[in-house]
Parts: sequence; C-alpha cells; structure tokens
Amino acid sequence: AQRVTQPEKLLSVFKGAPVELKCNYSYSGSPELFWYVQYSRQRLQLLLRHISRESIKGFTADLNKGETSFHLKKPFAQEEDSAMYYCALKGQGAQKLVFGQGTRLTINP
Amino acid sequence: DAGVIQSPRHEVTEMGQEVTLRCKPISGHNSLFWYRQTMMRGLELLIYFNNNVPIDDSGMPEDRFSAKMPNASFSTLKIQPSEPRDSAVYFCASSPDYNEHFFGPGTRLTVL
Repeated sequence: AQRVTQPEKLLSVFKGAPVELKCNYSYSGSPELFWYVQYSRQRLQLLLRHISRESIKGFTADLNKGETSFHLKKPFAQEEDSAMYYCALKGQGAQKLVFGQGTRLTINP
Repeated sequence: DAGVIQSPRHEVTEMGQEVTLRCKPISGHNSLFWYRQTMMRGLELLIYFNNNVPIDDSGMPEDRFSAKMPNASFSTLKIQPSEPRDSAVYFCASSPDYNEHFFGPGTRLTVL
C-alpha cells in the first residue's frame, strides 16, 4: 500500500532559523515524490518534485530511498514561508497522487 | 487562463439536503481529481477521471457521494443526503500528465 506520513501537524520556527518539514513514505517500488504548498488565501500549488532536483524559493528536498524519506529543507526561514505544506507520492505507472496529512508551518518574526 | 474553476466557493446546508459541487478543469487537461480536505485526515482523493471516464472511485466514502464528468470541461460532485460529517473543503484539480496537479480554490462545505 502507498502511504505518506508527515509526523508534524504544526511546526513553528523563528525567522532566519533553519526549517525542516519531515515526510516519510511507504512504497515498494520507485516512487515520484512532490511537495505542494498552500499559502494563505491561495490555491494549493506544486512547490517542487524530486526528479527536478531544483531549489524553489530556497527550499530543497532529497529523496532518501534507504530511509524512505523526502524531507523539505530551507537553511534560513522567511516570514513568507508560512503556509500549509503537503508531501505527495506517485507510484510507478500510477495516475494518482497520495498526499500526507500536511504540516502547517509558521515563521515567527 | 483562469485556472481550475470551482463553484460555489462556500456552501452552507442542512443535514439531509442535496449538495452539488461544480468544477471546470483547465482546457486541454485530460485528468480531473476530486479531493476532500479535513483537519483530521488531510487531503483525501475521492475519485478521478481520465478523458471523462471515472478511473478510481475507491476513495468515495459511501453511496451518498457520486461524481460525474459529462464532458471535458465540466464535472460535478454530489452528496445526497448530506450529513454534518461531510463538512470539509472539497478541491478539484486537473492535470495534463498525472504529475503536476493544478488545484481549484476549493468549496468550503458546512452541513448543519
């Protein structure tokens, strides 16, 4: 079965501090992993995907197959990073995404 | 392009009433997804369509829920009869390639 776990429902850090949002997955094959973000009063949107290996808004995420994790990291948090973050998985040949429960990130000034 | 369009944005109804949520996907996208978002369970996939055909409805909670996609530019999610536990935000998303989802603004449903 495919499952995505985001252990923290709420995460609060101070501006300028490093931030890490945890994501663990359960899947027997080679998954594709994504991070989606929902800013206040905006639509849920794609932040980054592991196959792109790019940094978006200072965020990076590395797929660790050994630990079955895809944690989202940023070295210096900014207030505008406050949002709801969802980790999602797509199995090989699958047509749908499986989302985690989400983590609400709050950056304190 | 206005993106995925959903209506209504807010719906308040009484238990037992029929509720119909509407979605217009982005033109050219061949996949459409309906999700439900709650604090307890996060984002749950209810059903998705490919080329207007329902592919997987295993996430539909029970027979009270039904979804249709009569053409490439319109889909509905119906709840009949509605119950208070159906209160949630319902999202529609479309995709051209099953990777990136493009989400609508959501419909916040409150069943009293």
